[in-house]
Amino acid sequence: DQQVKQNSPSLSVQEGRISILNCDYTNSMFDYFLWYKKYPAEGPTFLISISSIKDKNEDGRFTVFLNKSAKHLSLHIVPSQPGDSAVYFCAAIGSSNTGKLIFGQGTTLQVKP
Amino acid sequence: EPEVTQTPSHQVTQMGQEVILRCVPISNHLYFYWYRQILGQKVEFLVSFYNNEISEKSEIFDDQFSVERPDGSNFTLKIRSTKLEDSAMYFCASRVTSGRMIGELFFGEGSRLTVL
Repeated sequence: DQQVKQNSPSLSVQEGRISILNCDYTNSMFDYFLWYKKYPAEGPTFLISISSIKDKNEDGRFTVFLNKSAKHLSLHIVPSQPGDSAVYFCAAIGSSNTGKLIFGQGTTLQVKP
Repeated sequence: EPEVTQTPSHQVTQMGQEVILRCVPISNHLYFYWYRQILGQKVEFLVSFYNNEISEKSEIFDDQFSVERPDGSNFTLKIRSTKLEDSAMYFCASRVTSGRMIGELFFGEGSRLTVL
């Protein structure tokens, strides 16, 4: 039951360029989405979120875009830095009462110097 | 910066043995969670806990699993009789409020469980 899908397992970009990570979801009831970043041997850390009442949210180098009609969101990192190399997880709130998150499979981003 | 701490970082156990994974959530947080990640797979929700009771659990969280908050600071996950397929990284998480403050979900560094 893959309600949140990240179809690209990996992405490699050059330092200074834009990284675009994509995420699709199937449940139209989802109304809040998040991106988490994970380094090896560490837990996921919150990066940025977006509510379904918006189509864009920006925080420094990170911007998340939401296309509700396509059930698609993307994370843009500009400019990409080598320290951004990590696994990025897209997640949706599965229950607003309990705060359960439903995660995608993750995309491994490698930013080359 | 406050953080969620988990112990042990790695535990190796024999199939059929009981395992307890421990977590100390951030002190003013009210909602607690366990997630797990089997190697190469996605992070999966196991259980949420609020006001000293389970508020939601997944299909994975069967009768072999239990959680408790025995002393107001620790939050534990117990697996009564481990199976090979329980081998995974287990993450504890906590946050202050529910609803639209979901972004403030803090994860621990994880406890790796290896069942032989």
